[in-house]
Amino acid sequence: GQSLEQPSEVTAVEGAIVQINCTYQTSGFYGLSWYQQHDGGAPTFLSYNALDGLEETGRFSSFLSRSDSYGYLLLQELQMKDSASYFCAVEGSYIPTFGRGTSLIVHP
Amino acid sequence: NAGVTQTPKFQVLKTGQSMTLQCAQDMNHNSMYWYRQDPGMGLRLIYYSASEGTTDKGEVPNGYNVSRLNKREFSLRLESAAPSQTSVYFCASSPGTSGLRGNEQFFGPGTRLTVL
Repeated sequence: GQSLEQPSEVTAVEGAIVQINCTYQTSGFYGLSWYQQHDGGAPTFLSYNALDGLEETGRFSSFLSRSDSYGYLLLQELQMKDSASYFCAVEGSYIPTFGRGTSLIVHP
Repeated sequence: NAGVTQTPKFQVLKTGQSMTLQCAQDMNHNSMYWYRQDPGMGLRLIYYSASEGTTDKGEVPNGYNVSRLNKREFSLRLESAAPSQTSVYFCASSPGTSGLRGNEQFFGPGTRLTVL
């Protein structure tokens, strides 16, 4: 089967940098995705890593180490609107599996 | 483009009642998915359809059935609702047919279902 571990909650102040980690166990790994979900809303796609290394999209970056079965989402220049839940999702044997989510709370 | 639409937005059922959740996408995507989201549990895949005419079980398929009516529409049916099926249900679609492979999933707004 597939399983993912990520912290349940992370807090940070506006303007800071925060890292949300994700470790996974899966067979037939294809890639790791990250999604953002605001309270009451639908998940929205942030990034995808299939190969080792860092992918950057504006203030958000995502990193993958396949050998360590580990990835992280890095959020820079935090804004209040970044307060949301963040999910990592692994694609192994076709069926995508999501982690339980990390609630990011950004304080002024 | 409306993206992924779901109906209804809210529903209350009594134990044993049946209902169908509707989902449609206008992005010409091949794959469609049904998830449920419970507090602290993340998103769990119920069923998916990699292409028109095919459906497969996900992680938590018991108590549900699906129909891929055409390329646009993918419905989820609860034949005899139970309180354990109280949840938020999300439909999603993605362009590819061979799993995600880097294709992002586009989610609908969700259906909030309560079973009494």
